[in-house]
Amino acid sequence: EPEVTQTPSHQVTQMGQEVILRCVPISNHLYFYWYRQILGQKVEFLVSFYNNEISEKSEIFDDQFSVERPDGSNFTLKIRSTKLEDSAMYFCASSPTGLMTEAFFGQGTRLTVV
Amino acid sequence: AQSVTQPDIHITVSEGASLELRCNYSYGATPYLFWYVQSPGQGLQLLLKYFSGDTLVQGIKGFEAEFKRSQSSFNLRKPSVHWSDAAEYFCAVATHYTDKLIFGTGTRLQVFP
Repeated sequence: EPEVTQTPSHQVTQMGQEVILRCVPISNHLYFYWYRQILGQKVEFLVSFYNNEISEKSEIFDDQFSVERPDGSNFTLKIRSTKLEDSAMYFCASSPTGLMTEAFFGQGTRLTVV
Repeated sequence: AQSVTQPDIHITVSEGASLELRCNYSYGATPYLFWYVQSPGQGLQLLLKYFSGDTLVQGIKGFEAEFKRSQSSFNLRKPSVHWSDAAEYFCAVATHYTDKLIFGTGTRLQVFP
């Protein structure tokens, strides 16, 4: 079965450092998403991306965050200057149609900011 | 705005017992409804989804859920729980107009042998 792949599985970074979380969506999918889950809390939508631009973003997704599809296969989330409160599990998802009924999630990257 | 409520934060059942996890949503029209499971340290796995048709939906691992429009509910059920079902369960809703999921706060299921 096709799957969304995220790397690394766990990243530890110092506060103020930049991090890039990587995702390889399913190959024929066109819509891409990032969600995050702070430990013990619910999963929250961050951003959706289609046709090389952001289609929707949440209040969480401020200027410290950016997304990019640098080549035909990767989809990245960059946090420019990490804060302690950015510590969370970050999930990537992709969909062929933009319908969440057809989306698949990756296994997540656990980001720990120290 | 859409919202999802999972009233039970933590449920404990014995292995072999039946299970029902509650989910209520708030949305003016018929939403798309999902149940995801997250095992410790793992990602989100889709158990089942509803977007139209038969209101009783079968999923993986022996789970099913029933959409009840009159109660704005989408409760998850399993007739006989296995120890491996211990995990966090998230109900989520999406709409026709936005391509994002709204998640509930989750229910942690503990299974005793």
